[in-house]
Amino acid sequence: DADVTQTPRNRITKTGKRIMLECSQTKGHDRMYWYRQDPGLGLRLIYYSFDVKDINKGEISDGYSVSRQAQAKFSLSLESAIPNQTALYFCATSFGDAGAGELFFGEGSRLTVL
Amino acid sequence: GDSVTQMEGPVTLSEEAFLTINCTYTATGYPSLFWYVQYPGEGLQLLLKATKADDKGSNKGFEATYRKETTSFHLEKGSVQVSDSAVYFCALGSNYKLTFGKGTLLTVNP
Repeated sequence: DADVTQTPRNRITKTGKRIMLECSQTKGHDRMYWYRQDPGLGLRLIYYSFDVKDINKGEISDGYSVSRQAQAKFSLSLESAIPNQTALYFCATSFGDAGAGELFFGEGSRLTVL
Repeated sequence: GDSVTQMEGPVTLSEEAFLTINCTYTATGYPSLFWYVQYPGEGLQLLLKATKADDKGSNKGFEATYRKETTSFHLEKGSVQVSDSAVYFCALGSNYKLTFGKGTLLTVNP
């Protein structure tokens, strides 16, 4: 089984719908991240969490919210999806500072908003 | 702010060719530098890293040297294989986060 698991792997939805992407990890890491990948734009940080009670906005948090339900679970929500939120979303974890160490990524959740 | 600029793709090579993917960065302080690789249908995984100037990271035949004087961290491999076909991301690490480049798609043909 993967150390970082994302569900669903693929989702097609309509404009205005609420969507939740879930992430769980078995690595025991304290820090978790949500990134968005768009062709030609690389990865951009949406939200990050240092622990259950410490959640922070990344560079593109507008239109998104997150919940850290437990150390091992970090969910990303789109309250009212819009087409330009169509993208590949990645959850990642790290032990300590991501800037100094290694990020471990899930396999991604492809979201299409019609 | 921190930023990473990497070579535009796509890059197409024949098997056993030499590979260079250029990466330059802008940062305050003394960041760590990384190369991540994304194989088709998978998440990113760390390929190599360097934490200070003049360090060389290496893994699976790939190498990159942290050059502070030219603010660069170019990825090289002497002889690529078909299995190296993937998207390669240069990244800069500072404090709590990584800043990624836009990625370079490499295709290696037999």
